Amino acid sequence: EDQVTQSPEALRLQEGESSSLNCSYTVSGLRGLFWYRQDPGKGPEFLFTLYSAGEEKEKERLKATLTKKESFLHITAPKPEDSATYLCAVQAYSGTASKLTFGTGTRLQVTL
Amino acid sequence: DTEVTQTPKHLVMGMTNKKSLKCEQHMGHRAMYWYKQKAKKPPELMFVYSYEKLSINESVPSRFSPECPNSSLLNLHLHALQPEDSALYLCATKNEGIAEAFFGQGTRLTVV
Repeated sequence: EDQVTQSPEALRLQEGESSSLNCSYTVSGLRGLFWYRQDPGKGPEFLFTLYSAGEEKEKERLKATLTKKESFLHITAPKPEDSATYLCAVQAYSGTASKLTFGTGTRLQVTL
Repeated sequence: DTEVTQTPKHLVMGMTNKKSLKCEQHMGHRAMYWYKQKAKKPPELMFVYSYEKLSINESVPSRFSPECPNSSLLNLHLHALQPEDSALYLCATKNEGIAEAFFGQGTRLTVV
């Protein structure tokens, strides 16, 4: 069974204090790993797709990396507006259909 | 157009009511999903439609009945729900294959 674990569960940073979020996964044949941002009461917002180990993607203050067992979301010099829950998800196939399995998320709070 | 529209945004229903949640997309995606999300938990997969056919049912109780009338619409019919069914219900769509999913803003359902 596919498993996705995220750490830490919650993270509090001061503005400008860089850090990394971790996503560890166990899947039978990774097809894709996705990072999402979710604000309270809203649907997840797509950030990045990573397909293979060694791949990196970057967007503003965020950078996602992938190894064979885990992915990291690096946040450089965060701002209060980066406060949200960050979810990673892995894609696997069940028959002919694909499904996303989500990790438990990291709740990030950035303070002034 | 990268938007997935869900209606209504909020819904309060009694345990004997029948109601429906709607999801609409115009991105030409052929995979459509229903997820359920409880507070401080990750989205939990309920159903997957692929080319308007139900492909995955994650052992969801029969009081939830999905329907895909055409390639742009996805419905979730609700009947005789329980208070523990109160949650944020999310619709997502994606292209077939390895691709990111786009989520709607969700319907906040309260069962009283």
